[in-house]
Amino acid sequence: QSALAQPASMSGSPGQTITISCTGTSSDVGNHNFVSWYQQYPGKAPKLIIFDVSNRPSGVPDRFSGSKSGNTASLTITGLQPEDEAEYHCSSFTITNTYVFGTGTKVTVL
Amino acid sequence: QGQLVESGGGVVQPGRSLRLSCAASGFIFNKFAMHWVRQPPGRGLEWVTIMSHDGNNMYYADSVKGRFSISRDNSKNMVYLQMNSLRDEDTAVYYCAKALYYVMDVWGQGTTVTVSS
Repeated sequence: QSALAQPASMSGSPGQTITISCTGTSSDVGNHNFVSWYQQYPGKAPKLIIFDVSNRPSGVPDRFSGSKSGNTASLTITGLQPEDEAEYHCSSFTITNTYVFGTGTKVTVL
Repeated sequence: QGQLVESGGGVVQPGRSLRLSCAASGFIFNKFAMHWVRQPPGRGLEWVTIMSHDGNNMYYADSVKGRFSISRDNSKNMVYLQMNSLRDEDTAVYYCAKALYYVMDVWGQGTTVTVSS
């Protein structure tokens, strides 16, 4: 159950586009479409922003989008906003009926 | 959508036990599986365990298997995490989360567990 690999940090100016990768294996990310993304502000609980690779819950801005290719899922933030400065975590269901999270990516808005 | 409130965290010595509780409200508790997820200081999230809506099935992360046990009381809308043989590396904020299919759609505010001598 190794953690999914994410870049430790990413940054961008307001209005720019960034893409966060989440790399797993054929036992998790590559096995199905049950990949989700969570946004977390410091000292706060995580919040679901993407589910089933590319679906947004109600109320999540459409500048957040998700995709997947093979064993790697991605979260794209198009038109970065100051309030997007947070930690982002990916998660995947696995073939052993467990779950695994990514290492987390801190996004800084310059 | 619901609300979850964790309790029971604290400072505990290595090797000792602790039981966390999570009170659910605002949704039909007995229709949903429940997760526990933890976050060590300054680190990412780590999935711990899940229990099915009826309590008949549970799965654990390898790091806690044989030491931690999840349970629930559907009559009280409560889920619990019994943690035995605690180690330094179990120090974390522990969150309970409601399962919606394959995601965690509602999270509690977390309770802090510190394992230290």
